[in-house]
Amino acid sequence: DAGVIQSPRHEVTEMGQEVTLRCKPISGHDYLFWYRQTMMRGLELLIYFNNNVPIDDSGMPEDRFSAKMPNASFSTLKIQPSEPRDSAVYFCASSRRTGDEQYFGPGTRLTVT
Amino acid sequence: GDSVTQMEGPVTLSEEAFLTINCTYTATGYPSLFWYVQYPGEGLQLLLKATKADDKGSNKGFEATYRKETTSFHLEKGSVQVSDSAVYFCALGASGYSTLTFGKGTMLLVSP
Repeated sequence: DAGVIQSPRHEVTEMGQEVTLRCKPISGHDYLFWYRQTMMRGLELLIYFNNNVPIDDSGMPEDRFSAKMPNASFSTLKIQPSEPRDSAVYFCASSRRTGDEQYFGPGTRLTVT
Repeated sequence: GDSVTQMEGPVTLSEEAFLTINCTYTATGYPSLFWYVQYPGEGLQLLLKATKADDKGSNKGFEATYRKETTSFHLEKGSVQVSDSAVYFCALGASGYSTLTFGKGTMLLVSP
């Protein structure tokens, strides 16, 4: 299995621009998670999906953030408009069952100038 | 609620030294326990896991034993290498819950 795939690996954008991060989970995994990691705040869970349905988005910092999962093999995290404080590494992870180990993608390093 | 507490880092060791990274948890029921490792510039990788009390997880020379009586899951390795330098995260998965609860991570630096 190819593991969790994320794109792009690096994204540099200017404040105010729209940013879209993409994730392909491991085939057969029913759960998909989006995390954000920064030095100051550590690893934060933003939102997670079960069978393509958003279950808990309480970690999404603001309305500027949105996530979708149109099918079992694809999810997006969108930031519109982006701000410098959104600069972080964004990880996607997937798991097969509830409470099971999660498998992480390599992350997208976002820099907003 | 559930929580995971890890020792603060960085932990600095010389090559071939013995490693212990402490992890204690608070949870109701019988959670599964995990150790993840994050190398610089990479995502978190599952290192080992244990799903019930007294289970020992092991991988790549690392070991951790699920101790319910002390609510601990300490990570150990008998002889560390420079290539083990990374951040290590302890995590728990509570039964009936979809998400994992992560500790803050412990950075390990191994010098030659």
